[in-house]
Amino acid sequence: QVQLVQSGAEVRKPGASVKVSCKASGYSFSSHDIDWVRQAPGQGLEWMGWLNPKSGNTGYAQKFQGRVTMTRNTSISTVYMELRSLRSEDTAVYYCARGQGSPRQRWFDPWGQGTLVTVFS
Amino acid sequence: QSVLTQPPSVSGAPGQTVTISCTGSSSNLGAGYDVHWYRQLPGTAPKLLIFNNNARPSGVPDRFSGSKSGTSASLAITGLQAEDEADYYCQSYDYMLSGSRVFGGGTKLTVL
Repeated sequence: QVQLVQSGAEVRKPGASVKVSCKASGYSFSSHDIDWVRQAPGQGLEWMGWLNPKSGNTGYAQKFQGRVTMTRNTSISTVYMELRSLRSEDTAVYYCARGQGSPRQRWFDPWGQGTLVTVFS
Repeated sequence: QSVLTQPPSVSGAPGQTVTISCTGSSSNLGAGYDVHWYRQLPGTAPKLLIFNNNARPSGVPDRFSGSKSGTSASLAITGLQAEDEADYYCQSYDYMLSGSRVFGGGTKLTVL
């Protein structure tokens, strides 16, 4: 079955970086974009950006431009999301999700299980 | 402030029907972009419930239905069950935000 499996929880100090992985299985890795969405404790969902696994092209939400980088390793069907200059407000569960539909009519299915990133000094 | 506006909470008794609204603007729903809905049970990842305004993925019961008109959309849940208690999110695209996917703030459904 189609599945996205993410790396485990991370703890970082303010100013550090974190890199979260998302391994896809059960479908052709190159055929669907992977998006990243985060959720702060008790808050709603916030879209961060997308990566096209075939081309490596990316698009980031304006809020994260300059601080986030999404990459992939096609040989192991894995997408990575690196967030730099972490601050306490970046404490959240980070989800990867497979994009479906055209870029402007995009929905997400399925989602990874989530990775908790905690930033504190 | 979310680009798409949802009520923070709704409630209903078992067997009843509830609707959750999602209000956007001319740069997202009003521009013809579809709305999609997700359900998030406590401590779990969101799960797709409705896509392209009113289509259900396989496995989602027909108790769940979606609609969209102009700058607004809604999710209806009929025959409310205890296991429907969860957070619900709408999602779309906004052309004013540099190719952004956008989410509603989420609605907590309580089954009384």
